[in-house]
Amino acid sequence: SQQGEEDPQALSIQEGENATMNCSYKTSINNLQWYRQNSGRGLVHLILIRSNEREKHSGRLRVTLDTSKKSSSLLITASRAADTASYFCATDGGAQKLVFGQGTRLTINP
Amino acid sequence: EADIYQTPRYLVIGTGKKITLECSQTMGHDKMYWYQQDPGMELHLIHYSYGVNSTEKGDLSSESTVSRIRTEHFPLTLESARPSHTSQYLCASRTNLAAGKETQYFGPGTRLLVL
Repeated sequence: SQQGEEDPQALSIQEGENATMNCSYKTSINNLQWYRQNSGRGLVHLILIRSNEREKHSGRLRVTLDTSKKSSSLLITASRAADTASYFCATDGGAQKLVFGQGTRLTINP
Repeated sequence: EADIYQTPRYLVIGTGKKITLECSQTMGHDKMYWYQQDPGMELHLIHYSYGVNSTEKGDLSSESTVSRIRTEHFPLTLESARPSHTSQYLCASRTNLAAGKETQYFGPGTRLLVL
């Protein structure tokens, strides 16, 4: 079964608002990664957070990791129409394979 | 942009045909992966490779096969395509280096439709 579950499955907000997506997983991890996928395309890596880190920033992205709750969140601040995409969390348990969640479909309305 | 390529991008074929989806990367990555993804759904790992002459089955059972004769090339073959194989197939790679290089680089995908 898949490791990650993402919440919400779909999110629609107005441009300029912040978007928060959550990811929960089941087993221990070395790191957790977030990827973005535009419709019909491949995935693009956004940010990686290691199991010993609690928060990480990259531009308008903020990722948190709570290993005690086995959960992570991705925050996109000041959203733009171009942020419309699907966002996936993926866990790396050390077997050099990633296990992906089912994704959150984010729509930014102008 | 990642230097990983997939061909064809789109393929429509009839049931029973043999097809090969190509994936190549110019980054010298040892590890390569094939995922299957239905529209709007999660990715399922179907095959992966740790390097030349290494192939492993993924978490999702698949009727496809792969080969890894060269580092840069990881083709996926369906001997007899069926409508249930209709999906998007994504190829990815990552470096063999340790910490700091765990991310995967994805190709643009091949959309397969089997009639």
